[in-house]
Amino acid sequence: DTEVTQTPKHLVMGMTNKKSLKCEQHMGHRAMYWYKQKAKKPPELMFVYSYEKLSINESVPSRFSPECPNSSLLNLHLHALQPEDSALYLCASSQVSGSGTGELFFGEGSRLTVL
Amino acid sequence: AQSVSQHNHHVILSEAASLELGCNYSYGGTVNLFWYVQYPGQHLQLLLKYFSGDPLVKGIKGFEAEFIKSKFSFNLRKPSVQWSDTAEYFCAVRSGGSYIPTFGRGTSLIVHP
Repeated sequence: DTEVTQTPKHLVMGMTNKKSLKCEQHMGHRAMYWYKQKAKKPPELMFVYSYEKLSINESVPSRFSPECPNSSLLNLHLHALQPEDSALYLCASSQVSGSGTGELFFGEGSRLTVL
Repeated sequence: AQSVSQHNHHVILSEAASLELGCNYSYGGTVNLFWYVQYPGQHLQLLLKYFSGDPLVKGIKGFEAEFIKSKFSFNLRKPSVQWSDTAEYFCAVRSGGSYIPTFGRGTSLIVHP
């Protein structure tokens, strides 16, 4: 089991749909991440929130829109996606500063299929 | 920018064989080093990490890794693999004061029973 919870686990959507992925953690981490992962590939960083502010956007298309409502929640809003966006979307969290262990804690992911 | 190289992309072993997966990084300063594992259909989970101190670190499930600063390496080892070790293995490095790690491309390990 992981301490980062992602919903839904599976999502199928059409190219005109609007949907959202949700992520929650209660470890007090102040950095939260969205990654995209294709099969047998490393996770690709999409967005990083630090203290609820967007600190990194890795040139992600605007059809992906992140939101961090509070320190425990992270959303990824999806609109007008393309079939090539089909992937496993991973949420992760970590401490921000150098203190503590600093590793990423990953959720189980949301497997997205775009038809 | 930091780069992480995992030279073994696919490894196939029989049970009880020894395992060593290579990981090299480019940044020469202070680094934090991680190995993550992703079992089929599961999430990424931490195998072990190095922050400071003893360069030989032990992780879960009998894995260990050795940090060799002069070689910019953090190789993962296990003396005797099991079929259940079949998974993707990712090396990650955090450096330069950033809290965000850089991942290697991963190694796919298949262990035959």
